[in-house]
Amino acid sequence: DIVMTQSPDSLAVSLGERATINCKSSQSVFYSSNKKNYLAWYQQRPGQPPKLLIYWASTRESGVPDRFSASGSGTDFTLTISSLQAEDVAVYYCQQYYNPRRTFGQGTKVEIK
Amino acid sequence: EVQLLESGGGSVQPGGSLRLSCAVSGFTFSNYGMSWVRQAPGKGLEWVSGISGSGGSIDYVDSVKGRFTISRDNSKNTLYLQMNSLRGEDTAVYYCAKDWAVAAFFDYWGQGSLVTVSS
Repeated sequence: DIVMTQSPDSLAVSLGERATINCKSSQSVFYSSNKKNYLAWYQQRPGQPPKLLIYWASTRESGVPDRFSASGSGTDFTLTISSLQAEDVAVYYCQQYYNPRRTFGQGTKVEIK
Repeated sequence: EVQLLESGGGSVQPGGSLRLSCAVSGFTFSNYGMSWVRQAPGKGLEWVSGISGSGGSIDYVDSVKGRFTISRDNSKNTLYLQMNSLRGEDTAVYYCAKDWAVAAFFDYWGQGSLVTVSS
């Protein structure tokens, strides 16, 4: 199975500042035939189910604010919140779907400093 | 509006069984794969099992193989997870989730159903 590792485990950012979360996969999740990275990001607010933010490594889901952006390819990926808002307090997870046995990172908790 | 509603959770002793259901609406159920994803208390997300739209393709995480069975009834728009020989480490909130496409990311999630395995 593909192991997903996120860093850091938690971070505290001031309102309006940038938050950056990293995700590394144990093997490439880039599929050369369609040139797509099989990587998604989710946000889970306290007491809520996860919510899809990003898929294909950098495509924002409909309705997701544009302060959320993501990049990366192969094994290294990044989720960026450009200007942290109070409602962004949550745990963020990356997930690979290159292998049908889908796996998640351990999560990164984002808090307000 | 897409809706997924889990039911059937509860408390059970080790070695016991439970059956979770997930009733869905708002999309053509038979056209989409579905999955169960669980989250142990205070922990991260773990994909447990997935099933294709027709039910012809099924997979499980190794830790539940031989104990859990995923199934679906497309006439009832309902997904199931039969859980047997339950262990303490199966204690978690179980979410049903809609696959965007077969074995892809999850674009919709239910609210979750808590399963507690304890003596």
